Amino acid sequence: QQQVKQSPQSLIVQKGGISIINCAYENTAFDYFPWYQQFPGKGPALLIAIRPDVSEKKEGRFTISFNKSAKQFSLHIMDSQPGDSATYFCAATLFISNFGNEKLTFGTGTRLTIIP
Amino acid sequence: DSGVTQTPKHLITATGQRVTLRCSPRSGDLSVYWYQQSLDQGLQFLIHYYNGEERAKGNILERFSAQQFPDLHSELNLSSLELGDSALYFCASSVDTVGAGLYNEQFFGPGTRLTVL
Repeated sequence: QQQVKQSPQSLIVQKGGISIINCAYENTAFDYFPWYQQFPGKGPALLIAIRPDVSEKKEGRFTISFNKSAKQFSLHIMDSQPGDSATYFCAATLFISNFGNEKLTFGTGTRLTIIP
Repeated sequence: DSGVTQTPKHLITATGQRVTLRCSPRSGDLSVYWYQQSLDQGLQFLIHYYNGEERAKGNILERFSAQQFPDLHSELNLSSLELGDSALYFCASSVDTVGAGLYNEQFFGPGTRLTVL
């Protein structure tokens, strides 16, 4: 049962271009949507995250766009650089106030390659 | 460096064997999560411990078990290993502030790569 669907599986973008990765979720109870970046041989690291009460969040060159009605969210990487080449995972989770953090449910990942 | 440590980095073993993976969370973090990353299944949640107690289970096989010790380090035990258990195993930790109304970031360790031959 895959609750978070991610596309594309792989993406090649020219240096300076915009990289766009899309995710869709099924569980409307999710209330926190992080994106993780993973380099080969390393564990995933939090890149940027958003709550469903806002439609967009921007941190530097990275922007999350969120569409609650469509149950979709996307990551945009502006001015993509070779150092951005990595695997990106979207995720979703929920926070239960008397229970704490829930598990992360991950998308299947997108391997991003930025070419010079 | 996330502050989460995992040992060993690599583990090669044979089918039917048992192994133990170890995770030390960031200082002050009470929660430890275990995830399995394989090529065909992606990153899958296995189990979550909070301050020594099991809090949630994912699709963890009965052959797998985990515990969190009083010093908050955690171990994941995998027994009767099969070829399909070959994967990267990550642990993550978070502060997990219950009642604070905050989502606390999960910090991932570098992983243990398990190869079952």
